Amino acid sequence: QSVVTQPPSASGTPGQTITISCSGSSSNIGRNIVNWYQQIPGTAPKLLIYGNNQRPSGVPDRFSVSKSGTSAYLAISGLQSEDESDYYCATWDDSLKGWLFGGGTTLTVL
Amino acid sequence: QVQLVESGGGVVQPGRSLTLSCAASGFTFSAFGMHWVRQTPGRGLQWVADISSDGARKFYAPSLKGRFTISRDNSENMLYLRMDSLRDEDTAVYYCAKDASWIIDQWGQGTLVTVSS
Repeated sequence: QSVVTQPPSASGTPGQTITISCSGSSSNIGRNIVNWYQQIPGTAPKLLIYGNNQRPSGVPDRFSVSKSGTSAYLAISGLQSEDESDYYCATWDDSLKGWLFGGGTTLTVL
Repeated sequence: QVQLVESGGGVVQPGRSLTLSCAASGFTFSAFGMHWVRQTPGRGLQWVADISSDGARKFYAPSLKGRFTISRDNSENMLYLRMDSLRDEDTAVYYCAKDASWIIDQWGQGTLVTVSS
């Protein structure tokens, strides 16, 4: 069972801004960077955003992240139908000495 | 461009062993740490193990330590995962992934392992 928690689902309408949360603890999110991945079912995860709002080439700036205490947040502005996907957060845990992934959030664009 | 191609998956009986391979290309393999991450429908993504660029340091998910062994051959640009005493719950798609200083940044397409009698 993951100790980094995401809501299983989120939804929004085109053009809207939505936020996906990722909740952890002081041994992981509280002291380490959080990376976010996008995954279209049936394909491999793709790095979406990492560290302090760093985006790989090709990722639009509609995607942004923030962190507060032991929680991290992925915001998607100007929601588009192509944003329908699964989103995962990931972070290192100092106690477990390993990487933890959130359980994933399935985003539906209505 | 970075390419990571996993192989070795298939159907294996509980209790048996299996070794997965990952062929890397498009980057200087010996300069980067590497990971194995698995995904099951019910439990999402689970980090399995990682290995430093020179192979000297290895970390494992606590629940898997002792049964799984990660290794690499920098002369052949290959990453491996040996899995022993396989259980039903090890059924998953196994991804090979590249590390970039606290970022798992590139992923292979995955190989499916099914543990079943």
